[in-house]
Amino acid sequence: DIILTQSPDSLAVSLGERATINCKSSQRVSSTNMNYLAWYQQKPGQPPKLLLYWASTRESGVPDRFSGSGAGTDFTLTINSLQAEDVAVYYCQQYYDVIRTFGQGTRVDIK
Amino acid sequence: EAEWLESGGGLVQPGESLRLSCKFSGFHFNVNAMSWVRQAPGKGLEWVSSITNDGYGTHYAEPVRGRFTISRDNSKDIVYLQMSSLRVEDTAIYYCGKDVGATNGWVDSWGQGTLVTVSS
Repeated sequence: DIILTQSPDSLAVSLGERATINCKSSQRVSSTNMNYLAWYQQKPGQPPKLLLYWASTRESGVPDRFSGSGAGTDFTLTINSLQAEDVAVYYCQQYYDVIRTFGQGTRVDIK
Repeated sequence: EAEWLESGGGLVQPGESLRLSCKFSGFHFNVNAMSWVRQAPGKGLEWVSSITNDGYGTHYAEPVRGRFTISRDNSKDIVYLQMSSLRVEDTAIYYCGKDVGATNGWVDSWGQGTLVTVSS
């Protein structure tokens, strides 16, 4: 199975500052310029919410302060100008393989 | 907008079986693959299983392979997860989700989850 490792496990960022979350895959999840990676946000007591797919395409309705980048085995989720409502756990997930896997999650709090 | 009705969760003893159901409405059910994801108490998300839109393709995470069976009834807009030989470590909230495409991909919307507790 493909293993996704996120870093850091948690971070605290001041309101208005940038948060950066990394996701490293144990093998390439990219092919022919397509990056088979999604990012989700989960708040306490709620199901996950899709933020990005194809590593960098924002889901409809997701604020543009959320952006994704990367290719191959290394990906990044960036939250620009962190807002109070962004406090959550963020997960990357690969769909390159039919056996899908999630990263372990990164908790984002306000400093 | 898609809506879900999840059911079937509850408290069972180790070794017992349980069937989860997830009924969807608000979209053409037979167009999309469907998935189940679980979350143990205080833990992260774990993908469990997916099924293609036509029901012919099924995939499972290693911890549940051979014990869980995913299926769907496109005439009733329902996806099921039959869970057998349940273990304490299967205790989790189980979320059903609608995939974007017909086969492998990402989930773009989720149910609210149903709690499964396996304990003696």
